This record gives sequence, structure tokens and C-alpha cells, in this order.
Amino acid sequence: AQSVTQLDSHVSVSEGTPVLLRCNYSSSYSPSLFWYVQHPNKGLQLLLKYTSAATLVKGINGFEAEFKKSETSFHLTKPSAHMSDAAEYFCVVSADEGGADGLTFGKGTHLIIQP
Amino acid sequence: GAVVSQHPSRVICKSGTSVKIECRSLDFQATTMFWYRQFPKQSLMLMATSNEGSKATYEQGVEKDKFLINHASLTLSTLTVTSAHPEDSSFYICSARVSRNTDTQYFGPGTRLTVL
Repeated sequence: AQSVTQLDSHVSVSEGTPVLLRCNYSSSYSPSLFWYVQHPNKGLQLLLKYTSAATLVKGINGFEAEFKKSETSFHLTKPSAHMSDAAEYFCVVSADEGGADGLTFGKGTHLIIQP
Repeated sequence: GAVVSQHPSRVICKSGTSVKIECRSLDFQATTMFWYRQFPKQSLMLMATSNEGSKATYEQGVEKDKFLINHASLTLSTLTVTSAHPEDSSFYICSARVSRNTDTQYFGPGTRLTVL
């Protein structure tokens, strides 16, 4: 069994300041972990994924996430927020050992960017 | 990149009727497609997994006789909500995967179902 907890339902930052979206997971297996972004009225887009290679994963649009097994965390960060980053972000864990089946989503974090 | 489409994007129906939602992979063949449901202000929940040419595998608590899934070809999967009721109103999203060797899924834009 696996689960994902996104610790903040809403995060508000000023444009140009760092972004931190927190995610903790639990999994019976070595997990594959993902961050997806959903902009208003649009589909989900993959930001980055971790699949047991390097623990620091770089994604699109300047985002990155670090897998910390000891803390069971996979927090998403970005050094400098942009207005276009305003969206809903989902932390996701794979549903099986192979990481190739359905995904389990966190409840999402709504990122608000203040001008 | 890989594109997945859904049709319709929005549908409103009367209680007791059936609604079909299509999910298509436009520029790749998807051996596996997934159907998710998203309640307002909540996360996505996996409903079922369908592999082309075989029966769908439903998650616990999902009624397979109510949510009929057909994956007739490598580019098309359909979800039919039978005898819809207001509590079925939700946002339904499909995703597609190229092969079992990859865990990357490409998502459709979603379908908003409202049952009156």
C-alpha cells in the first residue's frame, strides 16, 4: 500500500521568491515519485519524476525535487517564482513495485503567486 | 510530446441516463489507459486500468457495472457511466502509457460531468 501527503493545501509566495511545496509519502516498495502540475482548465503536465536514480531530480520550468528516503519526503522547489507558476501541484507515487501501473495522487497544493 | 484527448470536455445529463466519455492517444499507441476521478477540491483517484484487448481492472470500491470501460484499440478507450446519478457528477480524467516498461503517463484534459 502507498499514500501521499501534501502538507499544505495552499502556498502563497511573492514573485521572484523561492517556492517550496512539501510532500511526504509511504510505500511498501521502492517508490517512483512524480510531481504533476495542473493549470486552470488544462490537463495535467509532468514536471519531474524520481525512479531510483539521482536523488536530486531536475524538471521543467526550473523546478527540482529531492528524494530523501530517511525523511520519506519528496519536496518540490524552485529558486524564483514566476507568475505563470500559479497552478495546482500534485505529488504522486506509483502504485506498484514496478512503478508502471496506476498512480496515487496527493490532495494537491494550490500555489498562489503574489505580484 | 505525446497528446491525449478527451471528448466531450463537458457534459450535462439527466439522472438515469448513460454517458460515454472517449479518451484518445493522438500521436502514439497506448497499451494501457487509466481512468481517474477528481471530486471538487480533492485529489485524483484511480478508478480503473485498461489494457488494449482485455478487461479493465477496477480499483476497490469502484462499481464495474456502473463504470463500463472499453479499450478496443491502441488509441481509444471509453468510459461509460451507466444510469448516472447526481453523485456521479465529477471531473473524469484519462491517461495513457506507451508500454509497460515506462511509468510515465500522459493525461487528457478531463471531462466535467454534471448529472441533474
